[in-house]
Amino acid sequence: AQKVTQAQTEISVVEKEDVTLDCVYETRDTTYYLFWYKQPPSGELVFLIRRNSFDEQNEISGRYSWNFQKSTSSFNFTITASQVVDSAVYFCALSGHTGTASKLTFGTGTRLQVTL
Amino acid sequence: SQTIHQWPATLVQPVGSPLSLECTVEGTSNPNLYWYRQAAGRGLQLLFYSVGIGQISSEVPQNLSASRPQDRQFILSSKKLLLSDSGFYLCAWSYTGSSNQPQHFGDGTRLSIL
Repeated sequence: AQKVTQAQTEISVVEKEDVTLDCVYETRDTTYYLFWYKQPPSGELVFLIRRNSFDEQNEISGRYSWNFQKSTSSFNFTITASQVVDSAVYFCALSGHTGTASKLTFGTGTRLQVTL
Repeated sequence: SQTIHQWPATLVQPVGSPLSLECTVEGTSNPNLYWYRQAAGRGLQLLFYSVGIGQISSEVPQNLSASRPQDRQFILSSKKLLLSDSGFYLCAWSYTGSSNQPQHFGDGTRLSIL
């Protein structure tokens, strides 16, 4: 069975601080896919990034960066110079390499509060 | 571009009443479609997914059912709602053909059962 753990339930930072959201996963699949989603207060989930299990290269997109380490089964998300608009719940998710549907297993989310 | 529509946005229903939530996708053909439920303060739980018209897979036993009468239409239903059916319901779509495709979500329906 697949499992995603986001141990940080809630994080509060002051604007311009850097913050890292942790994600640890469990899977028996040798090929799998990891995702991060953002859920702002309005409720919809916004796709941020997908990472394949065979590609451990870290990725940077503006103020966002992702650190994938297969050896520790972690896929952590860092926001640099956080802003109030980053306040949201962030979900890490995992999909196995089975079939034609991407059946996602989600973590319980980390609520990020950025204050002035 | 692709868009996904979900309605209603908010719904308050008495215990024992029926339910019908609708989701439609525009701008793509033969998408995979998904229904999730998010309980308060919890992660998302996959309820149903569909890879084609009339093809429904259920992930958890429950009081709900799903149908896909048209290619880009996905409906979540119940004959008799329970208190435990309260939650935030999200519909999503992805491109078909592989499990590596990201899912794109609708705005969700907040369902309260009284």
